[in-house]
Amino acid sequence: AQSVTQLGSHVSVSEGALVLLRCNYSSSVPPYLFWYVQYPNQGLQLLLKYTSAATLVKGINGFEAEFKKSETSFHLTKPSAHMSDAAEYFCAVISSGGSYIPTFGRGTSLIVHP
Amino acid sequence: EAGVTQSPTHLIKTRGQQVTLRCSPISGHTSVYWYQQALGLGLQFLLWYDEGEERNRGNFPPRFSGRQFPNYSSELNVNALELEDSALYLCASIIRRDRPNYGYTFGSGTRLTVV
Repeated sequence: AQSVTQLGSHVSVSEGALVLLRCNYSSSVPPYLFWYVQYPNQGLQLLLKYTSAATLVKGINGFEAEFKKSETSFHLTKPSAHMSDAAEYFCAVISSGGSYIPTFGRGTSLIVHP
Repeated sequence: EAGVTQSPTHLIKTRGQQVTLRCSPISGHTSVYWYQQALGLGLQFLLWYDEGEERNRGNFPPRFSGRQFPNYSSELNVNALELEDSALYLCASIIRRDRPNYGYTFGSGTRLTVV
């Protein structure tokens, strides 16, 4: 079975501050991991993905995430928040050779203050 | 290339009615997933279609159904609408079910409001 836990339904940062959104996963086999962003009234846009290559993954809009197997984590970071980063962020997992159905976390709303 | 397209974008229905939502995957993508995103509940898996077959369904009642056509487009049907069916319905596609490393592409969704 696979599952995802996103700690914190809301994260608030000031513009220019570090962004850290937490994601922990559970998977009985090596996972594929994804971060998606959702702007109001829109669908989900892929930010980045881990597919068993490099453990540090760089995505769009300056975001990156590090896969840590020992901690079963895939936290999303950005060195300096911008007002345009305010959105809902979802972490997702799919187990290799498994059911081929992505499981999503409950989402974290990022709030950026000027 | 065109992305995943969903229609209609918005819909208002009365309780008890039936609704059909449509999804066209990216050209060449054979696998289509449907998710329900109700307020505050994240994305709940509804249905998965691959190569024209229903491969799996989530924990939803049978009044949620759908199909996939030979061109890999898909439709989601919801019968006997209830107020709690109000949600954003998202469709996603992937080139092949055994290639998750390619990532899943989402459409913009259909906002269904049941009154």
